[in-house]
Amino acid sequence: QVPLQESGPGLVKPSQTLSLTCTVSGGSINSGGYYWSWIRQHPGKGLEWIGYIHYRGTTYYNPSLKSRVIISVDTSKNQFSLNLSSVTAADTAFYYCVRVDFVHAPMVSYFFDYWDQGTLVTVSS
Amino acid sequence: SSELTQDPAVSVALGQTVRITCQGDSLRSSYASWYQQKPGQAPVLVIFAKDKRPSGMPHRFSGSSSGNTASLTITGAQAEDEADYYCNSRDTSGHHFVFGGGTKLTVL
Repeated sequence: QVPLQESGPGLVKPSQTLSLTCTVSGGSINSGGYYWSWIRQHPGKGLEWIGYIHYRGTTYYNPSLKSRVIISVDTSKNQFSLNLSSVTAADTAFYYCVRVDFVHAPMVSYFFDYWDQGTLVTVSS
Repeated sequence: SSELTQDPAVSVALGQTVRITCQGDSLRSSYASWYQQKPGQAPVLVIFAKDKRPSGMPHRFSGSSSGNTASLTITGAQAEDEADYYCNSRDTSGHHFVFGGGTKLTVL
């Protein structure tokens, strides 16, 4: 198992920055070549991929959020973090931190194998 | 295109077989993965790399793909399979991920 545990405020004011941290407690964040991702889900809606990071620092972001998102990693704390700036009510959602694994089958195939329980973040004044 | 299209809702009689499909250009070059989400819970990986089951996933779940369409088949659907199902793949750029809109499965 690779328990993932989020931490961060459940309420953020409009125009401020949403900050969440995910602690990986079941293994080292810099082993196995995994990527570490954030995914969100607006209440009652579908899943939206936000972005991911490799422990060496490579990041990719959803183009629709790229201008406001920063994902970072702290290998000394076995954590990765999400910062989403200039939030509005449209950013109210459940946020999940997720591990990304891959296999060669034969082409490289990526998938989200471990999810945390999710955190509801509400943007409201 | 970076979109994956799923039917919003599908129903199946208890014990019967149901196929949930996912269409998109990215599926011609990237394998799909599938996720099951029950109310109030985080998604769970059901199928990865087109047709592989994670350890512990019942054998009644299977995956396949042809052209721009990936499919999740449940053979002998159980009441506990009632859930939302999402497909996912890399997009046509190869660097980003995209989810389908989800299919709500009802087991009658």
